[in-house]
Amino acid sequence: DTEVTQTPKHLVMGMTNKKSLKCEQHMGHRAMYWYKQKAKKPPELMFVYSYEKLSINESVPSRFSPECPNSSLLNLHLHALQPEDSALYLCASRAGTDGVYGYTFGSGTRLTVV
Amino acid sequence: AQTVTQSQPEMSVQEAETVTLSCTYDTSESDYYLFWYKQPPSRQMILVIRQEAYKQQNATENRFSVNFQKAAKSFSLKISDSQLGDAAMYFCAYRYRGSQGNLIFGKGTKLSVKP
Repeated sequence: DTEVTQTPKHLVMGMTNKKSLKCEQHMGHRAMYWYKQKAKKPPELMFVYSYEKLSINESVPSRFSPECPNSSLLNLHLHALQPEDSALYLCASRAGTDGVYGYTFGSGTRLTVV
Repeated sequence: AQTVTQSQPEMSVQEAETVTLSCTYDTSESDYYLFWYKQPPSRQMILVIRQEAYKQQNATENRFSVNFQKAAKSFSLKISDSQLGDAAMYFCAYRYRGSQGNLIFGKGTKLSVKP
């Protein structure tokens, strides 16, 4: 299995809702990432998990809450989002410690906040 | 701070022709990796090709090759025999070698392929 799987593919939520995005990989990668991507822009780093521990939080608002229950699974919990949070949310994982092979990305979750 | 610059927001190429996408970067590090990622409308970021900075030989992957000029901090992507399926957004990316490095993207170049 050489994929990163993200669910759901599309999500529409109200500003008072609570929802979660899920990311799964079975490649044995021990670093996992959440990125936010607006239309026609490059991905922006949100969170980095290394060996199931949060190592980087790029000053992301607390309405985004990441979780890494085990080495294969990464969640992003969403609560009280704003319309400007509408974007494509990408998950990625990295093989090895030095990143020589780059990152493997999922297909993303298209989030719309109404 | 490291930065990656793609100066061509959009490019167009005729099917079967060759196109070159430009990328420059700025870093004070000597040991790093460079990547080209493709993002088609299906949204998934797909690794096209990678280059290790300590290797002088330019990387090639089938129809894709790079021109890596370390002193000039330039990393261009050449696509030969362009195909309709090559149409996508292309991102150049840099990563410092090491566990704490993060992938830094350029703003992207949108490539259109004309039949």
